[in-house]
Amino acid sequence: KQEVTQIPAALSVPEGENLVLNCSFTDSAIYNLQWFRQDPGKGLTSLLLIQSSQREQTSGRLNASLDKSSGRSTLYIAASQPGDSATYLCAAFMNRDDKIIFGKGTRLHILP
Amino acid sequence: DTGVSQNPRHKITKRGQNVTFRCDPISEHNRLYWYRQTLGQGPEFLTYFQNEAQLEKSRLLSDRFSAERPKGSFSTLEIQRTEQGDSAMYLCASSFVPNMYTGELFFGEGSRLTVL
Repeated sequence: KQEVTQIPAALSVPEGENLVLNCSFTDSAIYNLQWFRQDPGKGLTSLLLIQSSQREQTSGRLNASLDKSSGRSTLYIAASQPGDSATYLCAAFMNRDDKIIFGKGTRLHILP
Repeated sequence: DTGVSQNPRHKITKRGQNVTFRCDPISEHNRLYWYRQTLGQGPEFLTYFQNEAQLEKSRLLSDRFSAERPKGSFSTLEIQRTEQGDSAMYLCASSFVPNMYTGELFFGEGSRLTVL
């Protein structure tokens, strides 16, 4: 069964710290992997998309990496701010059956 | 605003009633997805369309659920004879897929359903 796991489920860090969120997937045959942010009661906002042929993508203070062989992706947030508090989800786009599988997310709280 | 639009944003209904949600995708996007999300969980796939063709339905989707995308533009998701277990956020997403590869997903704000 194809699964996407995100660890930790929740994380609290002081403002200004750098942090890493983890995403692992059981099937390495993916087209791409996408990271999203979700605020309470809202839809998902796309942050970064990494194609299967790429190793990383950067947008501002965010950097996402992809290691297909180990089935892992990380989202690095530099110099965290209280406005970064949200749930972060990753989604793997699977080759095998064209499915998009989501993790359960990491709830991030940045302490002022 | 040319993002994905969903209506209504909130719907409260009594058990046994029918409800319909509408999704307007980004105009040039040919793929449209429906997901369901409950508290503390990631989105669960329900169904998706390539243009007007419904290509897959999740086994989670009972016969009470039906989705259409009649002209390859907007889509509707109807739930008949609602049950309390249907209470969730219903999310719509769209993407442009120029070939066999899946493009970047863009989500709407969701439609929250509460069944009393």
